[in-house]
Amino acid sequence: KNEVEQSPQNLTAQEGEFITINCSYSVGISALHWLQQHPGGGIVSLFMLSSGKKKHGRLIATINIQEKHSSLHITASHPRDSAVYICAVRPAAGNKLTFGGGTRVLVKP
Amino acid sequence: NAGVTQTPKFQVLKTGQSMTLQCAQDMNHEYMSWYRQDPGMGLRLIHYSVGAGITDQGEVPNGYNVSRSTTEDFPLRLLSAAPSQTSVYFCASSYSGQKNEKLFFGSGTQLSVL
Repeated sequence: KNEVEQSPQNLTAQEGEFITINCSYSVGISALHWLQQHPGGGIVSLFMLSSGKKKHGRLIATINIQEKHSSLHITASHPRDSAVYICAVRPAAGNKLTFGGGTRVLVKP
Repeated sequence: NAGVTQTPKFQVLKTGQSMTLQCAQDMNHEYMSWYRQDPGMGLRLIHYSVGAGITDQGEVPNGYNVSRSTTEDFPLRLLSAAPSQTSVYFCASSYSGQKNEKLFFGSGTQLSVL
């Protein structure tokens, strides 16, 4: 069983809809990252969380340390949000990141 | 400030050939790492380094070598390429030991081994 599970694996939304992507992990962590990967493109860091909530534009990331769960929300989704969103955790002990399998998001105009 | 520079972008090898994927960062990051990304799987750690002269194995190290002679450079070597090493490779860097760190990725190398 992967230490980091993302759901859903795939998501299709209409432009303007609110999107939620979930990430659950099984170990104690010092940080959780949300990353974005456009088709054929590189990987860009969106957020780094160790507690609470962060917002950047239409993106909101939350984390619940007790429940070992994080969510990434996209408000007023746009076709340019179509990408793979990846959750990664850094364990409390050690430097190695563990990645989720990613959520492929398609936003239709 | 170039960030993380990864070369080449594409490479085709024959089984048994060797090659080196280059990775350089200009942010004075201590932590550098190599990942491979395969269809349907998450990024998997190959090797990582927490500073010059220090490297360690990740989740899938077999068939790959690394070295870290300088803070800036972290090359990944395939000594004898195998078809199973066909993948997309990413180099990444970040500050080490700090809680509030951001990850920086290279643009990726698409490697095909025939």
